[in-house]
Amino acid sequence: DIVMTQTPLSSPVTLGQPASISCRSSQSLVHSDGNTYLNWLQQRPGQPPRLLIYKISKRFSGVPDRFNGSGAGTDFTLKISRVEADDVGVYYCMQATQFPYRFGQGTKLEI
Amino acid sequence: QVQLVQSGAEVKKPGASVKVSCKASGYIFTTYGISWLRQAPGQGLEWMGWINANKGNTHYSEKFQGRVTMTTDTSTSTAYMDLRSLRSDDTAVYYCARNPWGGVDYWGQGTLVTVSS
Repeated sequence: DIVMTQTPLSSPVTLGQPASISCRSSQSLVHSDGNTYLNWLQQRPGQPPRLLIYKISKRFSGVPDRFNGSGAGTDFTLKISRVEADDVGVYYCMQATQFPYRFGQGTKLEI
Repeated sequence: QVQLVQSGAEVKKPGASVKVSCKASGYIFTTYGISWLRQAPGQGLEWMGWINANKGNTHYSEKFQGRVTMTTDTSTSTAYMDLRSLRSDDTAVYYCARNPWGGVDYWGQGTLVTVSS
């Protein structure tokens, strides 16, 4: 199974400032079809998770362009260009290249 | 708009079974898979398994193999997750999520399952 490791696990941020979360996989997430199925999800308090980014860098429907994903192979990053109050919550990376899907431990973004 | 609406909260005794439903709307049900995931109180996300909504073939996490069954009813666009031999550490919020190739996109609202004697 692929293990996903996120850093940091907690990130105090300032409104209007950038934030960055890293995610590393224990093996390459490049699928045999050439795509890399690394996704980022946001979970606000008391809500179900919400897809932000899929295939490393593609923003899902309705996701503001403040959220940007990057990376390749085994190392990935989610960046928020200017943190807003609405961004408080836990962020997860998730690999969907192979079963079983696996998540990182989550990064708690706190203002 | 895509919606996944799950059944209500359940309280079960250890050793019992629970069946959670997930009714899909706003898309053609048979063109996507459904994944089931769970989140124990204060913990992270855990993937339990996937079902092809059209053909019914499944892939379960080894952790739940033998204890979980996922099914779909295409006539009502509903997916089901049946978990048996419940233990206290199965207490969690259970989610269904639409599963296109390469991940999950839309999520249900979650169903709290509490296992307690």
